[in-house]
Amino acid sequence: DAGVIQSPRHEVTEMGQEVTLRCKPISGHDYLFWYRQTMMRGLELLIYFNNNVPIDDSGMPEDRFSAKMPNASFSTLKIQPSEPRDSAVYFCASSSGGGQPQHFGDGTRLSIL
Amino acid sequence: KQEVTQIPAALSVPEGENLVLNCSFTDSAIYNLQWFRQDPGKGLTSLLLIQSSQREQTSGRLNASLDKSSGRSTLYIAASQPGDSATYLCAVRRGQGAQKLVFGQGTRLTINP
Repeated sequence: DAGVIQSPRHEVTEMGQEVTLRCKPISGHDYLFWYRQTMMRGLELLIYFNNNVPIDDSGMPEDRFSAKMPNASFSTLKIQPSEPRDSAVYFCASSSGGGQPQHFGDGTRLSIL
Repeated sequence: KQEVTQIPAALSVPEGENLVLNCSFTDSAIYNLQWFRQDPGKGLTSLLLIQSSQREQTSGRLNASLDKSSGRSTLYIAASQPGDSATYLCAVRRGQGAQKLVFGQGTRLTINP
């Protein structure tokens, strides 16, 4: 079975540009998570969805960040406008809930110049 | 606020040795604890998940233990191999209704041939 699929794998863009990261969760998983990983702060949860509805967005750093899940098989994380401090690896994960483990994608390495 | 600590940050051992990685957490009221492996440039791979009612879980050469009362978990790797080289992260989940994982900073493990 296909795992969590993220695109693009790498993104380099200039400060001020809009960035859109994409995620396709594992089919049948009801939960979708967006994480950010940096050397300084480690892995942090940004937001998660249950059945396409945002449940906890307390980790979203600023209004410049937004996430949507229009259907069960697709989610986006958007940064507008982007800043150099947004440079990080962004991971998407999904799970079937309950006590089941979260499964991670390979991440998007984002560099804002 | 739950905090998760992993010590040491890095560990280097010769091939064939048995080793233990440590994870501690400040709030013992957890739902489960999960150990992950992260290879460079890749996402996280779930290794073992221990529910709060369990004391240990085993998968092949890996054994994870959980002592909730003392706020500790260990990951034991038997007969280490160069292919075990990776960063190992532990993460705790607070409650059944709370899907958020709180991660440690990880231990970077190097197995020398």
